[in-house]
Amino acid sequence: GAVVSQHPSWVICKSGTSVKIECRSLDFQATTMFWYRQFPKQSLMLMATSNEGSKATYEQGVEKDKFLINHASLTLSTLTVTSAHPEDSSFYICSARRDRGVLQETQYFGPGTRLLVL
Amino acid sequence: AQSVTQLGSHVSVSEGALVLLRCNYSSSVPPYLFWYVQYPNQGLQLLLKYTSAATLVKGINGFEAEFKKSETSFHLTKPSAHMSDAAEYFCAVSASVWAGGSEKLVFGKGTKLTVNP
Repeated sequence: GAVVSQHPSWVICKSGTSVKIECRSLDFQATTMFWYRQFPKQSLMLMATSNEGSKATYEQGVEKDKFLINHASLTLSTLTVTSAHPEDSSFYICSARRDRGVLQETQYFGPGTRLLVL
Repeated sequence: AQSVTQLGSHVSVSEGALVLLRCNYSSSVPPYLFWYVQYPNQGLQLLLKYTSAATLVKGINGFEAEFKKSETSFHLTKPSAHMSDAAEYFCAVSASVWAGGSEKLVFGKGTKLTVNP
């Protein structure tokens, strides 16, 4: 099956620092990757959609200068939380999709990264 | 625009009992529907999906769901609950861009399933 990994699985950082989260598709090439944010006991909220080699498309209300997304290859996307603050503490989940061009492809989700900003 | 409503944020069943998790959707174009399961501190795992083929969809771990267009529903069922089924379940909707819909997954708020021994 399709496997998506995230690194790190959890991170604690000081307020004002930047944190990079990696999302990798291990056994398939992901044309499209998605980044979600999940608050405790709530659903997933889509933050942005990234396509390999192009700029990410951010959802309304998501600051693109704060949440930098880079999808440099077909197997790797990164999310950098810049100048993190305590309110950025959350569970960040990525997903990847193959996009074969005709049929709707399934999104495969990573295990998530828990970020705690002190 | 698409949306999903999951009825019941918490469902509790006894081991061996029927599991029924409710999901209603709203979509202006033919929808794609998904059920995902999330275990504590983990990402989402796809249980099953409906993409306009058979209306009764069978998934992993003995789960199945039936697409009912007239009721705009996609309820998830399992005949006999197991302790390992205890988790959070999310229903999600998207649509084909070719039909004028959005490829983005829109999730419901989730239903936490508790299985009692």
